[in-house]
Amino acid sequence: DAGVTQSPTHLIKTRGQQVTLRCSPKSGHDTVSWYQQALGQGPQFIFQYYEEEERQRGNFPDRFSGHQFPNYSSELNVNALLLGDSALYLCASSPRVGQPQHFGDGTRLSIL
Amino acid sequence: GQQVMQIPQYQHVQEGEDFTTYCNSSTTLSNIQWYKQRPGGHPVFLIQLVKSGEVKKQKRLTFQFGEAKKNSSLHITATQTTDVGTYFCTWNYGGSQGNLIFGKGTKLSVKP
Repeated sequence: DAGVTQSPTHLIKTRGQQVTLRCSPKSGHDTVSWYQQALGQGPQFIFQYYEEEERQRGNFPDRFSGHQFPNYSSELNVNALLLGDSALYLCASSPRVGQPQHFGDGTRLSIL
Repeated sequence: GQQVMQIPQYQHVQEGEDFTTYCNSSTTLSNIQWYKQRPGGHPVFLIQLVKSGEVKKQKRLTFQFGEAKKNSSLHITATQTTDVGTYFCTWNYGGSQGNLIFGKGTKLSVKP
């Protein structure tokens, strides 16, 4: 039973570029959340997807957008990358909203 | 707004010593969840506390939720090197259906 899988594991981009990160939830989970974790900080909630719609959103600008597919997998898109977007991006899934979340290993994004 | 503080921010212990981290909220929490993140790893769910005054144990770990549901603690008895990592208390923003808000965590190091 695979857990939450994310791709790619590492990514290097330059300022102004766009990036897409991908996540497959744990089997049986239909709710996906995305978090940004800067070095030495706790994860910060970006948004949550359920039934292919964005259900909740944290304090992140519109440059951050996402999508959930019918198979519950999800993408995180970030446009016009800034140096401050360098972080570990974590995807987490749960069997339903409000339940404990299972995290993937994350994508380490570096902006040059 | 809601303020939740986790203390201490860092804790260095000798192997075999006990360790406690505390979470204190300015408002009543619907529930609290604890996660552990090993260095270079992702957050892993440990426990969820829902009831006032609840105490739960997992081997050497004891979790408590205060009577007023405004504070929580995680106590580790006789720490081992495998306990190294950052321990986060988290809570659901916007009630039980809300998404996880992470505190800054307590980083535990254990000297063998």
